[in-house]
Amino acid sequence: AQSVTQPDIHITVSEGASLELRCNYSYGATPYLFWYVQSPGQGLQLLLKYFSGDTLVQGIKGFEAEFKRSQSSFNLRKPSVHWSDAAEYFCAVGVGSARQLTFGSGTQLTVLP
Amino acid sequence: ETGVTQSPTHLIKTRGQQVTLRCSSQSGHNTVSWYQQALGQGPQFIFQYYREEENGRGNFPPRFSGLQFPNYSSELNVNALELDDSALYLCASSTTTYEQYFGPGTRLTVT
Repeated sequence: AQSVTQPDIHITVSEGASLELRCNYSYGATPYLFWYVQSPGQGLQLLLKYFSGDTLVQGIKGFEAEFKRSQSSFNLRKPSVHWSDAAEYFCAVGVGSARQLTFGSGTQLTVLP
Repeated sequence: ETGVTQSPTHLIKTRGQQVTLRCSSQSGHNTVSWYQQALGQGPQFIFQYYREEENGRGNFPPRFSGLQFPNYSSELNVNALELDDSALYLCASSTTTYEQYFGPGTRLTVT
């Protein structure tokens, strides 16, 4: 069965610093990959997606992610973090006939002023 | 373009009761998926509806059931509520791709 691992439960960065959130997946074929962001008490907002093609994908709010097949990874990056980026971030894999999403357990991002 | 909406926002139920949650899909989307997000965890897939029929189901018991209507809106019903059913219930709509758009969720508390 497919699985998604987000090794970092909580990350703290200073405003203006760079950010990388890690995501590893386990799946037999090339998966469809997603990053979502969730603010407290809110639903999930899609940041970016990878289906095929260029392994570096750009998303909203200045985020990007790189698909590395050899490492089964899809890490999220941002060159300069803003205080408004504080939230929980979820990596997800799209698999199955229902095209359901399997999510990681999330990484909580704290941004220091 | 109207996004995904869910109602109610919050509700509190007693163990053993039944609950119905509602979801309106984003304009142009014909598929609705439901997820359960327990506190501190990632969302877990409950089931999906496409063309008014269940199109896939996660590891949830039969007391979790659903409906989809001709306008693509959907309901999630949970019977015989248990304390562990306390969670944020998220609805997501999509077309024929994996790209899903989520509503704000319904926070269910079972006491």
